[in-house]
Amino acid sequence: EDQVTQSPEALRLQEGESSSLNCSYTVSGLRGLFWYRQDPGKGPEFLFTLYSAGEEKEKERLKATLTKKESFLHITAPKPEDSATYLCAEKGEDNDMRFGAGTRLTVKP
Amino acid sequence: EAGVVQSPRYKIIEKKQPVAFWCNPISGHNTLYWYRQNLGQGPELLIRYENEEAVDDSQLPKDRFSAERLKGVDSTLKIQPAELGDSAVYLCASSSRQMNTEAFFGQGTRLTVV
Repeated sequence: EDQVTQSPEALRLQEGESSSLNCSYTVSGLRGLFWYRQDPGKGPEFLFTLYSAGEEKEKERLKATLTKKESFLHITAPKPEDSATYLCAEKGEDNDMRFGAGTRLTVKP
Repeated sequence: EAGVVQSPRYKIIEKKQPVAFWCNPISGHNTLYWYRQNLGQGPELLIRYENEEAVDDSQLPKDRFSAERLKGVDSTLKIQPAELGDSAVYLCASSSRQMNTEAFFGQGTRLTVV
């Protein structure tokens, strides 16, 4: 069965301390790798879609990258408002979107 | 443009009672997903619709869960009877006709079964 694994489960950073979140996937025919942000009590909010190895996308302090079996979400100089759970999801040939368990990020001022 | 709308936002019921959740997707989106999210976990796919057809319901517990999407627009997810373990957030998402596009989520319905 296709799986999405995210690490770490939780990450605590000081404001300005850059880091990366990892998402590994097993689907063989990747149709898309998606990153979402989820705040408490809300639905996931779309951030990025990546389609092929080597692709990169950026938005403010976030940059997502994709390799053949992993994706990384790099957070540069984070601020407290970046605190949230970050979810990744893969879509294979069956068009189902499957999520990992998420990384809970806390940024301290 | 309005996003995905779900109702109710919160629901508390006693076990063995029925419950229903409603979802209105983004206009023009033909793909609709229902997910269940337990605390501290990622969303778990329950069912995916393409227009009015349920194309993947393999993860839907069919003994007590049912779903419908009449006319390929709004959708309803029902649980009958509810069990304590059904307490979770139920999320609806929709995406456009193109196969590889992202999905947009509603705010979810938080179900508590007591």
